[in-house]
Amino acid sequence: GAGVSQSPSNKVTEKGKDVELRCDPISGHTALYWYRQSLGQGLEFLIYFQGNSAPDKSGLPSDRFSAERTGGSVSTLTIQRTQQEDSAVYLCASSPRRGGGYTFGSGTRLTVV
Amino acid sequence: AQSVSQHNHHVILSEAASLELGCNYSYGGTVNLFWYVQYPGQHLQLLLKYFSGDPLVKGIKGFEAEFIKSKFSFNLRKPSVQWSDTAEYFCAVNEGTSNFGNEKLTFGTGTRLTIIP
Repeated sequence: GAGVSQSPSNKVTEKGKDVELRCDPISGHTALYWYRQSLGQGLEFLIYFQGNSAPDKSGLPSDRFSAERTGGSVSTLTIQRTQQEDSAVYLCASSPRRGGGYTFGSGTRLTVV
Repeated sequence: AQSVSQHNHHVILSEAASLELGCNYSYGGTVNLFWYVQYPGQHLQLLLKYFSGDPLVKGIKGFEAEFIKSKFSFNLRKPSVQWSDTAEYFCAVNEGTSNFGNEKLTFGTGTRLTIIP
C-alpha cells in the first residue's frame, strides 16, 4: 500500500488478557520496526526486523512481549497477560534497504483497564 | 548506549517568531541524525535528516538543522514560525552505517511547540 498500515487503531483490553497488534509495511521495505510511545515519553524502541536476519529484540520490556514477521511483510506484536503499564501508543515503521529514513504508521492506542 | 536529550519540553511562541529547538546526543562515533514532527492527530513524519556532507540541512516547510559535531548537537531552526507549525518535534539518532538510516533509532522525549496566532 501507499503507507504503513496498523490495526486496530484503538484497543481497550482488560488486565491479564492477550492482545495482538498488526502492522502492514510499505511494499518492498525490508526493515520493520516497533516502537512504543507513552504519555510524556519519547519513543521507546521495541524490536527491529531486517530482511531474513534474526530480529533485534533488545528493546522488548519483558517476555510477555513478542513479535513476528511473516513472509518478510506483515508483522504482529503480541502482548500476553497485559498490565496497565502496557497502555501506550504502539507505532510501527518501515524503511527501504537504503536511504530515506522511516515511514511511520498511525499507531495503535492500547488501553489496559 | 546512545541517548538523545531534548531540553525544551514545551515551547510557546507567537507567529513570526524565530524558533530553535535543542537536541543533543551522546555517541562518540559516526551518526545519522533526524528530526520528526507529529502534528495533532497525525502520525510521525520525517522533517529532515543528516547523513553526511554539509552540516546545515534543509528540510520541509522552511525548517533547517545544523549538525555541530564538537557539541554533539543537531538543533532545529525556523526563522519565522506559523500557527500550522504547532506540533510535537522529536530528534532521533542512529549509528552511521552504509545503510543510511536503516537501523533502529534512539529518540528524544520530544518538544511540544505551541504557536499563538
